[in-house]
Amino acid sequence: KNEVEQSPQNLTAQEGEFITINCSYSVGISALHWLQQHPGGGIVSLFMLSSGKKKHGRLIATINIQEKHSSLHITASHPRDSAVYICARPGTASKLTFGTGTRLQVTL
Amino acid sequence: IAGITQAPTSQILAAGRRMTLRCTQDMRHNAMYWYRQDLGLGLRLIHYSNTAGTTGKGEVPDGYSVSRANTDDFPLTLASAVPSQTSVYFCASSVDGSGANVLTFGAGSRLTVL
Repeated sequence: KNEVEQSPQNLTAQEGEFITINCSYSVGISALHWLQQHPGGGIVSLFMLSSGKKKHGRLIATINIQEKHSSLHITASHPRDSAVYICARPGTASKLTFGTGTRLQVTL
Repeated sequence: IAGITQAPTSQILAAGRRMTLRCTQDMRHNAMYWYRQDLGLGLRLIHYSNTAGTTGKGEVPDGYSVSRANTDDFPLTLASAVPSQTSVYFCASSVDGSGANVLTFGAGSRLTVL
């Protein structure tokens, strides 16, 4: 069982829609990572957060440490947001545990 | 441009052959990692290094070895490749190995073992 669970696994949205991707984890953490991977592409770090909320452009990440839950929101979604979004939490000895990702497709 | 360079981008390899995937970073990051990404399984840590001269095993280290002779380079070697090592390999780095710093990833190396 993966210690980091993401939902949904797949998401299709129309351009302009508000999108939420969820990440839950089973043990306490010091920080949570959100990553983005475009089809056939490399992996980019979007956020690393340990409390509250962070915003970068149309992307917002929130975390609730007590509830062991984080969300990634995309406002005014655009086809170029189509990608796989991955959350990850630190473990022991440099071992990040990754979720299996949420595949987002934004259509015109 | 600061970042991570991986080579080769793509390689087809016969089973039993030896292969080294190269990874170089120019950010003076202390920690470096090798992950493999397989469909449906997400990213899995193969080996890591928290500082030059030290390495550690990740979740799936069997069949792989690494070295960290200096800060910049972290090569991954498959001594005798097997088809189950067909995967996309990502090298990454961070300021330290705490997990509380942003990760920078290379573009990936797609390896096919026949």
